[in-house]
Amino acid sequence: AQSVTQPDIHITVSEGASLELRCNYSYGATPYLFWYVQSPGQGLQLLLKYFSGDTLVQGIKGFEAEFKRSQSSFNLRKPSVHWSDAAEYFCAVGAWQAGTALIFGKGTTLSVSS
Amino acid sequence: DVKVTQSSRYLVKRTGEKVFLECVQDMDHENMFWYRQDPGLGLRLIYFSYDVKMKEKGDIPEGYSVSREKKERFSLILESASTNQTSMYLCASSPILSTYEQYFGPGTRLTVT
Repeated sequence: AQSVTQPDIHITVSEGASLELRCNYSYGATPYLFWYVQSPGQGLQLLLKYFSGDTLVQGIKGFEAEFKRSQSSFNLRKPSVHWSDAAEYFCAVGAWQAGTALIFGKGTTLSVSS
Repeated sequence: DVKVTQSSRYLVKRTGEKVFLECVQDMDHENMFWYRQDPGLGLRLIYFSYDVKMKEKGDIPEGYSVSREKKERFSLILESASTNQTSMYLCASSPILSTYEQYFGPGTRLTVT
């Protein structure tokens, strides 16, 4: 069955430091991969997505993610974190077996310290 | 821009009440979804619909039903609300030919007392 694992429940990063949020997926074929961000009390906003092609994808707000098939990973990165990046981040995979629904990880909460 | 709206941001209901959560999207999307979000559990799919009057159960449909009478509107119904249905409810939509990208509403925080 398809699954998504975000190993880190909560991460704290200093403002200006680099960030990497981990995501591992389980799926037999090449999946469609997404990162969403949720600010407190808000819905989810799409940060970036990977369907095929270049394994390094750029998203909004200065985020990027790299698809590594050999590691079944799709980690999210940002070179310099801003206080406004504090939010919850969700990795998701699209799989045919789930119909048109996405399978989400349980999320990683990012705190930014000054 | 795609817009998905939900009828209420915050809702407080009593145990046993029938509760309606409404979701409307303005981009003519075929697919619509209802998720609930709980701390430590992430998003869990309750129901989705890929066409008017069509519905499919998700991972946790028990205690819920849905209605899709018009393409732009997808309603989640709690027939008899219980305290364990206190949660954040998120609606989403996507076009049928998209590669799964979903657009989310702002969510409804439901408290059942």
